[in-house]
This record gives sequence, C-alpha cells and structure tokens, in this order.
Amino acid sequence: GAGVSQSPSNKVTEKGKDVELRCDPISGHTALYWYRQRLGQGLEFLIYFQGNSAPDKSGLPSDRFSAERTGESVSTLTIQRTQQEDSAVYLCASSFEHHSDTQYFGPGTRLTVL
Amino acid sequence: GESVGLHLPTLSVQEGDNSIINCAYSNSASDYFIWYKQESGKGPQFIIDIRSNMDKRQGQRVTVLLNKTVKHLSLQIAATQPGDSAVYFCAENYSGNTPLVFGKGTRLSVIA
Repeated sequence: GAGVSQSPSNKVTEKGKDVELRCDPISGHTALYWYRQRLGQGLEFLIYFQGNSAPDKSGLPSDRFSAERTGESVSTLTIQRTQQEDSAVYLCASSFEHHSDTQYFGPGTRLTVL
Repeated sequence: GESVGLHLPTLSVQEGDNSIINCAYSNSASDYFIWYKQESGKGPQFIIDIRSNMDKRQGQRVTVLLNKTVKHLSLQIAATQPGDSAVYFCAENYSGNTPLVFGKGTRLSVIA
C-alpha cells in the first residue's frame, strides 16, 4: 500500500513569506508527527496528532509555526513570516497509535528560505 | 537528493565486513529504543527496535545491543553491503506517550 507522502518535495521562498507543507499519512494510522531536520542534525520533534485528542504542540519553536489535521487524514504545517533559520527538511511520519509504535516517514519537504 | 548530515561522524567499512554503529542515549528512564536508516533524499526507515527488558535483539543481518548500565545502544550490521550506505539514527522513548528523541546520526560509508 501507499506510504506517507509529502508535498512539495522542495520549496524555496523569500524571507517573510508564509509557507504551507502537506502530509498524507498511511491510511488507518491515527497518529501523525511533524519533525524538523537541520543539516547535519538529528530530527527535532515539532507536533503530534493522535485521533481526536488535542495535539501535542510542545516542540513548535515559535508561534510562527502551526499545524492542522483533518480527522485522521491530511495534515498541513504552516510557517508564517519565514526566517532563514527555518531552512531545513520537514519530515512527516505516521504510526498506528502511539510514539512507540513504528513510525513510518515520508520523504520530507526541503525548505529553503532566501 | 537531500544532503543529510554533512558534518556527521562517519564510519567507513569494507564491503563484506561487519559494521558497528554506537549511540549514547540521554534518559535513564527511556524504555524503548529504535534504529532508523536514512538514505539521501529519503525519510528515515525503521530498521529494528528493542525494549528495555531485553539486552539484545536480532533481525535480518542486524543486531541491536542495549547496555542500560552505561546508557549505550549499538547496531551491528553483518556482511555490510553497498546498499547499507546511509545515515543511521538511534532514537529513544519513555512510556510511549512522549516524543521520540533522536541522536545526531552516523554516516556509514561502504567501500566496494
């Protein structure tokens, strides 16, 4: 079956612009995660959605970052007024239910802020 | 493709040799550990996991060892192949309801 998909694969934007990144999780996975990966670094947790529960937003670095998820399907990560330090690969993952269930990752969106 | 981890520690091994990738984790209360493989331009791919009630687990050509006394995790790859070239990340988790914490990664380079 289809894995996690993300779009766009690459996004170049100018400082100060807003960007929206999309994630389509694996069907049937109630948990969805967003991570940020800076060059030469591991993955930083951003936000976690689980079913109809309130999302865990504890990893969002500033109020310029927000995310939404429609039911148990598509999620969008929005970064407002982008800054150069937002340049990174943004990865989405989904799992059956919890953080400790195997997380399946999408290919990521590479964001470059000029 | 993506350039992930240009400044990561690198392990170079000859094709056919065994590889050992090490990871020191941070939280003594962590009870679940995972190894991921990330090839250039792709998202991380699950390799193998282990829970804290075990000290060794084997998969196909891979073995994970857990030493809770010194908070150390290792991934052993037998008969390393060119297709094993990638960045390898360890991750830890506590209780299942907290986010995974990822290490910085190690780049494995296989010399044919």
